[in-house]
Amino acid sequence: DGGITQSPKYLFRKEGQNVTLSCEQNLNHDAMYWYRQDPGQGLRLIYYSQIVNDFQKGDIAEGYSVSREKKESFPLTVTSAQKNPTAFYLCASSIRTATGSPLHFGNGTRLTVT
Amino acid sequence: AQSVTQPDIHITVSEGASLELRCNYSYGATPYLFWYVQSPGQGLQLLLKYFSGDTLVQGIKGFEAEFKRSQSSFNLRKPSVHWSDAAEYFCAVGSNDYKLSFGAGTTVTVRA
Repeated sequence: DGGITQSPKYLFRKEGQNVTLSCEQNLNHDAMYWYRQDPGQGLRLIYYSQIVNDFQKGDIAEGYSVSREKKESFPLTVTSAQKNPTAFYLCASSIRTATGSPLHFGNGTRLTVT
Repeated sequence: AQSVTQPDIHITVSEGASLELRCNYSYGATPYLFWYVQSPGQGLQLLLKYFSGDTLVQGIKGFEAEFKRSQSSFNLRKPSVHWSDAAEYFCAVGSNDYKLSFGAGTTVTVRA
């Protein structure tokens, strides 16, 4: 079955360490996204990529970085510059060429930084 | 820029009763509107979407939503809720740049 795989499900890090969250999709979607979810705030867009080797900042990109070297993969690095990194992170993908196409989500990674 | 407001943070409903979740959007052009559902610790699942045409759209799990342009609303309804409908529900609005803006979500509790 096609879908989006995020790993790991839970991640614990010490403050000051960079950490990379994995996101892989086998839906053959061109566009991929990273959202951050905090209680009572909905989902906020961190970065998105419409094609390989290209990505754009979302609304809260500071302290995060991404790469898109392969169509299937869109890893997110949470750097030590991110002031409040503890959150639930969701990766998503969509068909780029279909305007307004819905997002397909992975099951998320819960990051805890202490 | 588009935005979404979900006025109700938490709704409690009895099993078998009807459910309506409110969503108001702000967008200059014709919006693309979505409802998603999220179970605890999981990703989001698409319930239904509206792009154009019939303003009453049917989705999965027995949900429907009605687009009202005059009220900038896209409310979600279900005639009879089941205990499995307990979850968090998100309304989202999309534009031509492949990004979605999400509301803060409404948590639904179903009591027996």
